[in-house]
Amino acid sequence: DTGVSQDPRHKITKRGQNVTFRCDPISEHNRLYWYRQTLGQGPEFLTYFQNEAQLEKSRLLSDRFSAERPKGSFSTLEIQRTEQGDSAMYLCASSPPALTGPSYEQYFGPGTRLTVT
Amino acid sequence: AQSVTQLDSQVPVFEEAPVELRCNYSSSVSVYLFWYVQYPNQGLQLLLKYLSGSTLVKGINGFEAEFNKSQTSFHLRKPSVHISDTAEYFCAVSVLYSSASKIIFGSGTRLSIRP
Repeated sequence: DTGVSQDPRHKITKRGQNVTFRCDPISEHNRLYWYRQTLGQGPEFLTYFQNEAQLEKSRLLSDRFSAERPKGSFSTLEIQRTEQGDSAMYLCASSPPALTGPSYEQYFGPGTRLTVT
Repeated sequence: AQSVTQLDSQVPVFEEAPVELRCNYSSSVSVYLFWYVQYPNQGLQLLLKYLSGSTLVKGINGFEAEFNKSQTSFHLRKPSVHISDTAEYFCAVSVLYSSASKIIFGSGTRLSIRP
């Protein structure tokens, strides 16, 4: 399977702890996106990478959140000092370079469900 | 600013009956439109997309959608649903910025199929 993968699929943590999620995009895709989905809502955009550069961050991404994509391949999303309001599904998506495919098509991973107790 | 409104949060329907899930969007520029499906505890799967051309778009699993520019709608339809269609359905628009796009989702419609 060469789709987008995310790890872990589920994470339960206590309030105040730090958590880190990983996303592996489709291998030839240079664009990577993070979204957050809370219960009963559609996903909301968090941040976007083109190769290793983080080109846009949503206002939803507070100072406790940081995302990296150091080598332009996999990405990590870290949440420091987690709060109960951080409980959500965190989705990763990727899309191909503009020269090889439409950049508006995004392929989603299965998500990481975070529960903060 | 672009936005997406899904008018029904839940749609119950009997198996083998037709279904329509409504979606309206707001945008001052041309958009690309999508419908995604999300099965329980899974990520999003693309059902269909409208980019240009024919306003009637066919997707996977027998779904289709019609783009209506004058009504700014992109309703999803299926002539006969199956139990396996039980899922959450999201309408979305793609907003172009710089060299990439950001997807704005509606709040979703939960489709429940009754036997």
